[in-house]
Amino acid sequence: NAGVTQTPKFQVLKTGQSMTLQCAQDMNHEYMSWYRQDPGMGLRLIHYSVGAGITDQGEVPNGYNVSRSTTEDFPLRLLSAAPSQTSVYFCASSFRAGKDTQYFGPGTRLTVL
Amino acid sequence: AQSVTQPDIHITVSEGASLELRCNYSYGATPYLFWYVQSPGQGLQLLLKYFSGDTLVQGIKGFEAEFKRSQSSFNLRKPSVHWSDAAEYFCAVGAGNSNYQLIWGAGTKLIIKP
Repeated sequence: NAGVTQTPKFQVLKTGQSMTLQCAQDMNHEYMSWYRQDPGMGLRLIHYSVGAGITDQGEVPNGYNVSRSTTEDFPLRLLSAAPSQTSVYFCASSFRAGKDTQYFGPGTRLTVL
Repeated sequence: AQSVTQPDIHITVSEGASLELRCNYSYGATPYLFWYVQSPGQGLQLLLKYFSGDTLVQGIKGFEAEFKRSQSSFNLRKPSVHWSDAAEYFCAVGAGNSNYQLIWGAGTKLIIKP
């Protein structure tokens, strides 16, 4: 089991560029989510999905887009990068939403210039 | 609205000493509570969780936490820390409703003195 994988590990973008952060899990988990981590602010939920074809917004969804065409994959798209999106991004998955343990990927460190 | 407070941004403890990290939450009913650990440059890993029942919960790596309803707290403890415990620790709270979101504390960075 690879668990939750994320690519890339590091990325530098210029303002206005777009990109996709990849996330995949091989545990057949229904629930997947994207967080951003900023110093002193803990984790903030961007988007989440409770199954293939179902996505919803979290606490800070603006500027991000997601889709869930398969159980395994949950990519996060930055539509037009802004310096405020400089952050560390984590993808997580769990069997179900709520009480189940979340398994985290290693993170993507994104810098927007 | 639900909230989670970890009052200590940093804590420094000598190796072998005991540890207590504080977590306070604001929620009307009994929430479900988690502690996660993040080692430098890595993702988060679950240490322990509480849903109901015995208020003292045992976790991995020798950690335990106690749920105290009267104090709205879920403090994490370890009797004797090791240098490998240096990491950032996050408390998270979830609610037993249709909201799938966890509310996360800002984290406490644990520094171990040799």
